[in-house]
Amino acid sequence: DGGITQSPKYLFRKEGQNVTLSCEQNLNHDAMYWYRQDPGQGLRLIYYSQIVNDFQKGDIAEGYSVSREKKESFPLTVTSAQKNPTAFYLCASSVDRVYSNQPQHFGDGTRLSIL
Amino acid sequence: DQQVKQNSPSLSVQEGRISILNCDYTNSMFDYFLWYKKYPAEGPTFLISISSIKDKNEDGRFTVFLNKSAKHLSLHIVPSQPGDSAVYFCAASPMNTGFQKLVFGTGTRLLVSP
Repeated sequence: DGGITQSPKYLFRKEGQNVTLSCEQNLNHDAMYWYRQDPGQGLRLIYYSQIVNDFQKGDIAEGYSVSREKKESFPLTVTSAQKNPTAFYLCASSVDRVYSNQPQHFGDGTRLSIL
Repeated sequence: DQQVKQNSPSLSVQEGRISILNCDYTNSMFDYFLWYKKYPAEGPTFLISISSIKDKNEDGRFTVFLNKSAKHLSLHIVPSQPGDSAVYFCAASPMNTGFQKLVFGTGTRLLVSP
């Protein structure tokens, strides 16, 4: 079955540590996205990538970094510079909008907590 | 500046009745609108979408209505079922970004009671 896999489901970080969240998709989608969800709020865009080896900052990119070395993979690193990293992180992918309006499909998320 | 607003944090409906979830937006450049359903600790699941060239789109029990002049979007679920209990997010995408930049509302929690 095609889909988006995020791992791990739960992640704990100590103060001052960087952590990397994994996102893999086998939908053959060109575009991939990272969102953050906080309680009572909608999803906010952290980074997106429309093609391999290219990515752009979203609305709340400070304290985060990404890479896109393969079409299937878009890992997110939460750095120690992110002052409030506790949140639910969601990865999504979609067909490139240039061709048609197609929905983004989401993984099941990673919940990151600070120890 | 919240460009997509879901002003009702929660909605309770009896099984078999209609559920109507509302969404307002402020950016006239939005041209693609979506509804997602989300269970706790899971990712959102795409439900239905509508392009700005239409005013209605239907898929089974789900119908989305778009009123461009009022900048208002609604999702109708008929008949409602207990399994529909979840948080529903509306999202919108502007036409001039070159990629699908979704702006999400804060969600409405729907509870369908038997």
